Amino acid sequence: IAGITQAPTSQILAAGRRMTLRCTQDMRHNAMYWYRQDLGLGLRLIHYSNTAGTTGKGEVPDGYSVSRANTDDFPLTLASAVPSQTSVYFCASSETSGGANEQFFGPGTRLTVL
Amino acid sequence: GESVGLHLPTLSVQEGDNSIINCAYSNSASDYFIWYKQESGKGPQFIIDIRSNMDKRQGQRVTVLLNKTVKHLSLQIAATQPGDSAVYFCAENTDDYKLSFGAGTTVTVRA
Repeated sequence: IAGITQAPTSQILAAGRRMTLRCTQDMRHNAMYWYRQDLGLGLRLIHYSNTAGTTGKGEVPDGYSVSRANTDDFPLTLASAVPSQTSVYFCASSETSGGANEQFFGPGTRLTVL
Repeated sequence: GESVGLHLPTLSVQEGDNSIINCAYSNSASDYFIWYKQESGKGPQFIIDIRSNMDKRQGQRVTVLLNKTVKHLSLQIAATQPGDSAVYFCAENTDDYKLSFGAGTTVTVRA
C-alpha cells in the first residue's frame, strides 16, 4: 500500500536517552517533513528536506537532527531526549518542494519522555 | 505568533446540517491553502486545497472559500455526517516548501 510509514507507533523514553524515529515513503516524493503536534499548538515544523541529500531547519529544530540519505527515508533523531519533547510526531512528504503542494502524512509516533 | 488561526476551537453541529469552519491568515503573500481533517489517533488527511487565484473551490460535500481582501478562509461541509467528527486544520503556504498550520477546530456531530 502506497504511503508513509512511521515507527515506532509509540515509545516511552527515559530523559537523556537517544532515540530515532523512522519514516519511510514509497511515493517517490522529493520533499519530506517532520512535525510535532502538541495540544493547542497545531503542527509545528521541526526539519524538512527538499530532496535527497539536503535538509533544513523548521520552526522548532532545537534538540532534533535529521538525515536524508535517499529519497524514501527521513529519520528524526533526538540525541538526548528531554521531557519537553513529549509529543506526537508526524512525518509528511510532498511531490515537489518547489511551489505549493499537498503534503501526505504518516500515522504518527507518540513519544513520552520521562 | 501563528500566522494562521481558527476563529473557534470547537464546533457542535446537528447531523444533516451544514458546517462552516473559519480560518484567518496574516500573510498576504500566501498563495496556497489547504484544509486537513484529523481523526483521533491518525495523521492529518487532505480534504481540499485552493490557490490564491481562486475564491471558491468545491469538492465532494465540501467547499472552500477564500477572501483575500480580509485574509479569511472557510470550509463548508454539506449535510454533516457522524464521520465528519474530527479536528480540522487550515494551512497556508508560507514559502515554497513550508505549510503553516492553525491550532485546529474540533467538530462534533450530534445525532
